[in-house]
Amino acid sequence: DTGVSQDPRHKITKRGQNVTFRCDPISEHNRLYWYRQTLGQGPEFLTYFQNEAQLEKSRLLSDRFSAERPKGSFSTLEIQRTEQGDSAMYLCASSFRDGVDTQYFGPGTRLTVL
Amino acid sequence: RKEVEQDPGPFNVPEGATVAFNCTYSNSASQSFFWYRQDCRKEPKLLMSVYSSGNEDGRFTAQLNRASQYISLLIRDSKLSDSATYLCVVNSPYSGAGSYQLTFGKGTKLSVIP
Repeated sequence: DTGVSQDPRHKITKRGQNVTFRCDPISEHNRLYWYRQTLGQGPEFLTYFQNEAQLEKSRLLSDRFSAERPKGSFSTLEIQRTEQGDSAMYLCASSFRDGVDTQYFGPGTRLTVL
Repeated sequence: RKEVEQDPGPFNVPEGATVAFNCTYSNSASQSFFWYRQDCRKEPKLLMSVYSSGNEDGRFTAQLNRASQYISLLIRDSKLSDSATYLCVVNSPYSGAGSYQLTFGKGTKLSVIP
């Protein structure tokens, strides 16, 4: 499968714990995005990387959230001291920088904070 | 005013019906436009890009009116497999740094009934 992959697909954690998600983009894509989606809403942008550089961060991304893409390939999103309000689907997308910048999404990681 | 607004739905239509979805966007500097489809508890998948000249892909027709900041999607001869949530997506300037990001509408749920 040459699409975007994410791991784990589901994560259940207790409030206050740290969690880390991984995203592997389509191999030739140089842009990688993280989104969060809650029930009944469209995905909301969190952050994006071009190669290894994190170029934008949303105001939604509190200081408990950190993302990395150390070698310009896979990326991790860490949430520290999770809160119940962090429960959501975390989606990763990748694209190849061109005129249209079409983004392709991974299957997402569904986080439940108890 | 929300950046991307869609018909709230849900739309319940019989097989074979024609259904139209509408979407408006607020940022006149938006550059590219898409319709994504999202099945229940799955990731969004690109349905089609939307061009000013209008474009068609089989039973699906998308239109863009930049002057009115309006996007539409028409589905002809609806199939049961068309049942999903349809997300209107706009690539808009995100910050003053010249970055563009996807902004999603909340989506319109379509149920095609036998």
